[in-house]
Amino acid sequence: DTGVSQDPRHKITKRGQNVTFRCDPISEHNRLYWYRQTLGQGPEFLTYFQNEAQLEKSRLLSDRFSAERPKGSFSTLEIQRTEQGDSAMYLCASSLERPGQGRNIQYFGAGTRLSVL
Amino acid sequence: AQKVTQAQTEISVVEKEDVTLDCVYETRDTTYYLFWYKQPPSGELVFLIRRNSFDEQNEISGRYSWNFQKSTSSFNFTITASQVVDSAVYFCALSEFRETGKLIFGQGTTLQVKP
Repeated sequence: DTGVSQDPRHKITKRGQNVTFRCDPISEHNRLYWYRQTLGQGPEFLTYFQNEAQLEKSRLLSDRFSAERPKGSFSTLEIQRTEQGDSAMYLCASSLERPGQGRNIQYFGAGTRLSVL
Repeated sequence: AQKVTQAQTEISVVEKEDVTLDCVYETRDTTYYLFWYKQPPSGELVFLIRRNSFDEQNEISGRYSWNFQKSTSSFNFTITASQVVDSAVYFCALSEFRETGKLIFGQGTTLQVKP
């Protein structure tokens, strides 16, 4: 399978615990995006990486959230001291952006559904 | 400001009916991209189409067609002869060229196709 993969698919945790999600993008895709989707809403942008550099963070990304993409390959999204409001689907997407070629297609993983009890 | 509006929250049709999903967008950029994605119950967003702001040609792919009208800032999606497998949530999204490439999504339209 050469698509975007996310792990785990589901995560149930207690309020106050830390959780970490992993995203493996399509091989050779240089951009990786994280989105959050709550029930009945469209995905909302959280942050993105160009290779290993994190270039933009949304205001939705509080201090309790941190994302990394070491070596420009897989990425992790960590939420510290989870709150019930963090319950959502966390989606990862990747794309291959080349200068002068416009905006390329983002391919999404199946997401990690987080439930904070 | 960037915004995408999908006014239809839910649509229910009977198999073989045609159905159109509406999408209206707002942007101050002159160069931008519009997308449609399908989200089946499994949760994964499936890419359907990308259109840039300079290409107003309508596109047809099998039973799917898209109508892009810059004059009304709309990018509507029509499914002809709908099938039960078309049941899903459909999202329209906008990406401004000057921005980082992030997608701004509408709230989605849930399409239910009944046999």
